[in-house]
Amino acid sequence: AQSVTQLDSQVPVFEEAPVELRCNYSSSVSVYLFWYVQYPNQGLQLLLKYLSGSTLVKGINGFEAEFNKSQTSFHLRKPSVHISDTAEYFCAVSPGGSYIPTFGRGTSLIVHP
Amino acid sequence: ETGVTQSPTHLIKTRGQQVTLRCSSQSGHNTVSWYQQALGQGPQFIFQYYREEENGRGNFPPRFSGLQFPNYSSELNVNALELDDSALYLCASSLESRLAGADTQYFGPGTRLTVL
Repeated sequence: AQSVTQLDSQVPVFEEAPVELRCNYSSSVSVYLFWYVQYPNQGLQLLLKYLSGSTLVKGINGFEAEFNKSQTSFHLRKPSVHISDTAEYFCAVSPGGSYIPTFGRGTSLIVHP
Repeated sequence: ETGVTQSPTHLIKTRGQQVTLRCSSQSGHNTVSWYQQALGQGPQFIFQYYREEENGRGNFPPRFSGLQFPNYSSELNVNALELDDSALYLCASSLESRLAGADTQYFGPGTRLTVL
C-alpha cells in the first residue's frame, strides 16, 4: 500500500515571493506522481505529473516539481506567486499498473498582497 | 469540448435514505472514477469504471455502487446513508491509457452531500 504526506497544512506567502509545497510518499513499487489544484467550489485540476524520464517536471501556471527517488519526495515549486494562486493543492501517487490513486490531505496556499 | 459536469450541486438527505449522484464525462472519455472528499481531506478513491465495467475499487463498502452508460454518463449510488457519508463527491473522466494509473483525470465540480 502507498501513502502520501503533505507536510504543511497551510503555507502563507506574500505575492511575488517563491513558494515550495512539500510532498513525501511511501510505496513498495514504482509510482506515478501528480499535483492537483482545487479552487474554492471547484473540482481538481491537474498541474503536472511525473511518469518517467527527467526528474524535473514543468506544469501549468508556472509551477514545476522535482522527483527525488532517494528521498521519496515530489515537492512543488513556483518562483513567483500571484494572488490567483490562492487555492488548495493536492499531491497524489498512483502505483504503476494500478488504477487506485492515493491523495494527500492537501496544502492550503494563501497568497497575501 | 465540454467539461465534466455533475448533478445536483448540493443535496440534503437523512440517515438511512438512498441517493443517486450523476456525472457526465467529457466526450470520448471511456473511463470514469468517483471520489469522496470529506471536509479538510484529500479525495478518496471509491471506484473506477471502464467501458461500463468496474475496473478497480477502493476501501468502500458494497452500499456504494455505480453505473456507467454508453453515452459517457455515469451514476454513483449510495444506500443506507450514514452521517459519515457527508462529503463532496467528485467524478473524474479520462481517456484509456496504456499505462494504468498514468491517465490525466478531468474532474467535475462535485456534488456536496449532507446527511442529517
